[in-house]
Amino acid sequence: AQSVAQPEDQVNVAEGNPLTVKCTYSVSGNPYLFWYVQYPNRGLQFLLKYITGDNLVKGSYGFEAEFNKSQTSFHLKKPSALVSDSALYFCAVRDLTNDYKLSFGAGTTVTVRA
Amino acid sequence: EAQVTQNPRYLITVTGKKLTVTCSQNMNHEYMSWYRQDPGLGLRQIYYSMNVEVTDKGDVPEGYKVSRKEKRNFPLILESPSPNQTSLYFCASSPQTTGVYEQYFGPGTRLTVT
Repeated sequence: AQSVAQPEDQVNVAEGNPLTVKCTYSVSGNPYLFWYVQYPNRGLQFLLKYITGDNLVKGSYGFEAEFNKSQTSFHLKKPSALVSDSALYFCAVRDLTNDYKLSFGAGTTVTVRA
Repeated sequence: EAQVTQNPRYLITVTGKKLTVTCSQNMNHEYMSWYRQDPGLGLRQIYYSMNVEVTDKGDVPEGYKVSRKEKRNFPLILESPSPNQTSLYFCASSPQTTGVYEQYFGPGTRLTVT
C-alpha cells in the first residue's frame, strides 16, 4: 500500500524567510510525487511533480522540491516566503505499480506573517 | 478556459434524501476522480474512472455511486446520505490514466447532511 506523511500540521514563517514543508512517502515501487496548494475556498492547484531525472524539481510561484530516495522524502521549499503563500499544502504520491491511485497526505497549513 | 466545474458549490440536505453532485470537464480528459476532504485526513479517493463506462472504487466508496456515460461528465450520487458524509468534495481530471500527469481540480462542493 502507498502512503504519504506530512509530519507538521502547521508551519509558521516570517515573510522573506525560507519556507520548508515536509513530506515522506511509502510505496512498493518507484514513486511519482506531487505537491498541490489549496487557497481558502478554492480547489487544489498543481505546484510541481517529480517523475524521473533531476532530484531537484522547480515549480510554480518560486517553489521547488527535492526528491531524496534514500530518505523517501519530497520536501517543498521556497527560498523567500510571501504572505500570499499562506495556504494549505498537500503532498501526494502515485506508485508506478498502481498508477491509477493518487494518495494524499493530511496537509500542512502554512502561515506567512508580515 | 480549461476547467473542471462542480455543482452545486454548497448543499445542505437531510438524511436519506438522494442527491447528485455534478462534475464536468472541458479538456477531453480520460481520467476523472472524486475525493472527499476532511480535517486531518487530507483527501481520500471515493471513485475514479479511466474512461467512458469504466469506473472503480477508491479508498472510501461506501455510500456513493458514480457513472461515466459521457467523457466530460462524472456525477457523484448519494442514494441515502448520512451525517458522516458531511464533507468537502472535489472532482478532478487528468489527460490520461498513467501516473505522470497531474490532476486538475474543481472548486469543491461543501455538503452538509443533517
